[in-house]
Amino acid sequence: DVKVTQSSRYLVKRTGEKVFLECVQDMDHENMFWYRQDPGLGLRLIYFSYDVKMKEKGDIPEGYSVSREKKERFSLILESASTNQTSMYLCASSEPSWNTEAFFGQGTRLTVV
Amino acid sequence: QQQVKQSPQSLIVQKGGISIINCAYENTAFDYFPWYQQFPGKGPALLIAIRPDVSEKKEGRFTISFNKSAKQFSLHIMDSQPGDSATYFCAAFQGGSEKLVFGKGTKLTVNP
Repeated sequence: DVKVTQSSRYLVKRTGEKVFLECVQDMDHENMFWYRQDPGLGLRLIYFSYDVKMKEKGDIPEGYSVSREKKERFSLILESASTNQTSMYLCASSEPSWNTEAFFGQGTRLTVV
Repeated sequence: QQQVKQSPQSLIVQKGGISIINCAYENTAFDYFPWYQQFPGKGPALLIAIRPDVSEKKEGRFTISFNKSAKQFSLHIMDSQPGDSATYFCAAFQGGSEKLVFGKGTKLTVNP
């Protein structure tokens, strides 16, 4: 059974903290993604990576960075957490194909206080 | 700039009824249109998908209708069941970009 695992289901962090969200996939997929999900705004792409050490900005990269040192692991970093980054964060992975299916993790609910 | 527009934002249907969710896009370079289903506490999962050279695709009670000239596509859920209650996202993929663009989602509630 394919799996994308996010390290935490719930996180509470303080404003200004550096926050790491970790994601691991076991499908040997080339592509990995970080989305943010907010009510009424749907899924918005923050960053994606199409290979180890390669990354590309999505639609809302401000305030975030990413790291992909190994193929199976993709980390989202909030350099200095702010309250407007309180959200559900979803990691996904896929093959680089036109009919690619994206496999999602269960999400990390981050609250910044 | 919203590349995929989805409506309605929420939908309430009686058991046995037909649920219809609509999406529209502008970018004619999109060449793959999946629908994702998300249950509370879970990540989205692929439900059904279509290519623009096909006008309709059916899988069980779920059907995608695609109108290339109008740049619109829709999801029809026949004989809707309470277990179908979830949030549904339409999406579009442009070959070469490696990115899925999602609509804002529709929260479907099927009453028993």
